[in-house]
Amino acid sequence: DIQMTQSPSLLSASVGDRVTINCKASQNINKYLNWYQQKLGEAPKLLIYNTNNLQTGIPSRFSGSGSGTDYTLTISSLQPEDFGTYFCFQHNSWPWTFGGGTKLELK
Amino acid sequence: QVQLQQSGAELAKPGSSVKISCKASGYTFTSYYISWIKQTTGQGLEYIGYINTGSGGTNYNEKFKGKATLTVDKSSSTAFMQLSSLTPDDSAVYYCARGSGYDWGQGVMVTVSS
Repeated sequence: DIQMTQSPSLLSASVGDRVTINCKASQNINKYLNWYQQKLGEAPKLLIYNTNNLQTGIPSRFSGSGSGTDYTLTISSLQPEDFGTYFCFQHNSWPWTFGGGTKLELK
Repeated sequence: QVQLQQSGAELAKPGSSVKISCKASGYTFTSYYISWIKQTTGQGLEYIGYINTGSGGTNYNEKFKGKATLTVDKSSSTAFMQLSSLTPDDSAVYYCARGSGYDWGQGVMVTVSS
C-alpha cells in the first residue's frame, strides 16, 4: 500500500498567516491527490482534487501543488473558519489511502 | 444540491452484522461510484472500497474483504454496506462518499459492545 505522510501533524497559526501543509507519498501518485478539511463532529469536505483543482465553492485562498511523491496545500491568508484537521488522499494506486492528518489550531 | 443521507447510529453485539445505508440525491446516481470510508481515532481514515452504481461491480481494499459487503439499489438511489462478524475493532464512524470523495454523507457511528 502507498503510505501518505503528512507534515506537520500539528500546526499553530494566527489569522492572516500563510500556511502550508505537506503530504509525501511512498511512490509516485501521478497527481491523483485530494485535500480535505474536517471539523470536529463533521464529515470531511473536499477542498482540492487532483493536486490543484479547487472544488466548487471553496475560497481561492486555498491552493494545491505538487507532482510525483510531494504535494502541498497552501492557505494564503488564514481565516477563523479554516481551523480544523486536514487530510490528503491518494487515488492513484489501489488501495487508495489517506494521510494521517494535520491539525491546524489557533496560536 | 448533492446530498448523501446515511442511516442512524448502530449499537451491535460482537459476532453480529449491521447494514448501513447511503441515500443519494441531487445528481444522477449512476454517474458516480459510491466510496466507503472508515474513521477511527487510532487508525485515522481508511478506504474500504467502492461500488459501481451502474453495474453493481465492486472493488475492496484487501483489508476489508470478508468484513464489508457493498450493494446498491438503483431504483432508490441507495447504496448499502454490510459489516459482518463484528468485533470491537469495527467500532468506528463509517462514511459514504460520491466518487473519489467529492461529497460525503454525515457518517454513521457503529459501536460494537457486549
